[in-house]
Amino acid sequence: SQQGEEDPQALSIQEGENATMNCSYKTSINNLQWYRQNSGRGLVHLILIRSNEREKHSGRLRVTLDTSKKSSSLLITASRAADTASYFCATDEADSGGGADGLTFGKGTHLIIQP
Amino acid sequence: DTGVSQNPRHKITKRGQNVTFRCDPISEHNRLYWYRQTLGQGPEFLTYFQNEAQLEKSRLLSDRFSAERPKGSFSTLEIQRTEQGDSAMYLCASSITTRTFFGQGTRLTVV
Repeated sequence: SQQGEEDPQALSIQEGENATMNCSYKTSINNLQWYRQNSGRGLVHLILIRSNEREKHSGRLRVTLDTSKKSSSLLITASRAADTASYFCATDEADSGGGADGLTFGKGTHLIIQP
Repeated sequence: DTGVSQNPRHKITKRGQNVTFRCDPISEHNRLYWYRQTLGQGPEFLTYFQNEAQLEKSRLLSDRFSAERPKGSFSTLEIQRTEQGDSAMYLCASSITTRTFFGQGTRLTVV
């Protein structure tokens, strides 16, 4: 079963604008990871945030984590056409025995950047 | 290329046939995972290996599915007597710490 939900399911913005995607999850976690997936391709790891961290930056990406609300957000600043993809959050659940249950993914947000 | 490698990239098979996929993880990654992804959904966990030991299997992994990692390096996923519902992208991933790296996947179409 899937852990959480990304919101929105689809997002279309103009190139240069910022894109914000949200993720909610249900259980206690060790960490949360964001991935990008271009159509029909594999997943590319973007950023990992641990349960004791609240915010993390990587280039044009900013991730926040609120464990009290069981939610995370991914902000992509100054969007580019090449950012068009599906974005997934994935959680490493705290009672998973050290990775034995793998990551639990949401359904993803499909982001379209219009030139 | 030192990433996770999967073969084949695409497989079309007739219902009832057996198929086998291969995954070569990043070298020295002791953890290897298989996931399945259907259209419009996120990946779903199938099974996990630590070195050569298969430590966890999802209930999604019916008796028709079997996975091996004989020497703790590459892994194979076999589906016997394929059904149309098996059509999906099969993703392999590996890790050594918390960060997990995915391959490009094998897209299976059962006709």
